[in-house]
Amino acid sequence: EAGVAQSPRYKIIEKRQSVAFWCNPISGHATLYWYQQILGQGPKLLIQFQNNGVVDDSQLPKDRFSAERLKGVDSTLKIQPAKLEDSAVYLCASSIDRGSTGELFFGEGSRLTVL
Amino acid sequence: AQSVTQLGSHVSVSEGALVLLRCNYSSSVPPYLFWYVQYPNQGLQLLLKYTSAATLVKGINGFEAEFKKSETSFHLTKPSAHMSDAAEYFCAVTRGNAGKSTFGDGTTLTVKP
Repeated sequence: EAGVAQSPRYKIIEKRQSVAFWCNPISGHATLYWYQQILGQGPKLLIQFQNNGVVDDSQLPKDRFSAERLKGVDSTLKIQPAKLEDSAVYLCASSIDRGSTGELFFGEGSRLTVL
Repeated sequence: AQSVTQLGSHVSVSEGALVLLRCNYSSSVPPYLFWYVQYPNQGLQLLLKYTSAATLVKGINGFEAEFKKSETSFHLTKPSAHMSDAAEYFCAVTRGNAGKSTFGDGTTLTVKP
């Protein structure tokens, strides 16, 4: 079974530029999450999708971050304009269903450096 | 609201020694609890999970954890550390079946030869 795919693995941009990350979850997983992991901290949830609908985006900085999951499968997270404090690893995760035991399957992450 | 506290951001043990990584949680409803491991430049992998069945949970690579409701703890242990156990470990809590996990800040485990 293929795991969660993410791209790009690494991205370096200058502040005020834009960046987009892509995620393809495990086939059949209804729930998709984007987490931000700053160096030395645990992952922090940015947004949770159930199929193509948003379940929770309360921690997403909506003035600069946006995410979509148009067909209920893959998802894109965009940052525009980027700030220095956005330097982090962006982790995508999926789970079978929101009502499952909550086990998350993670991709390898996209490491963003903002200069 | 739910939260996780991992005591000790760095733990160092000798190869063959006991590993003990501490996790305390708070949750307004019966929680599901998880331990994940993260190797350098990789995503998180599930080690074990507690979902209201047996309080002593066994996971992969010889790890186990015990859910203690009275202490609101879910500490991770392994009787004998191996060099390959060196990694970062995260405790996480999920509120019932809501699906959203809250993570601790992690504990980096170093294993000395």
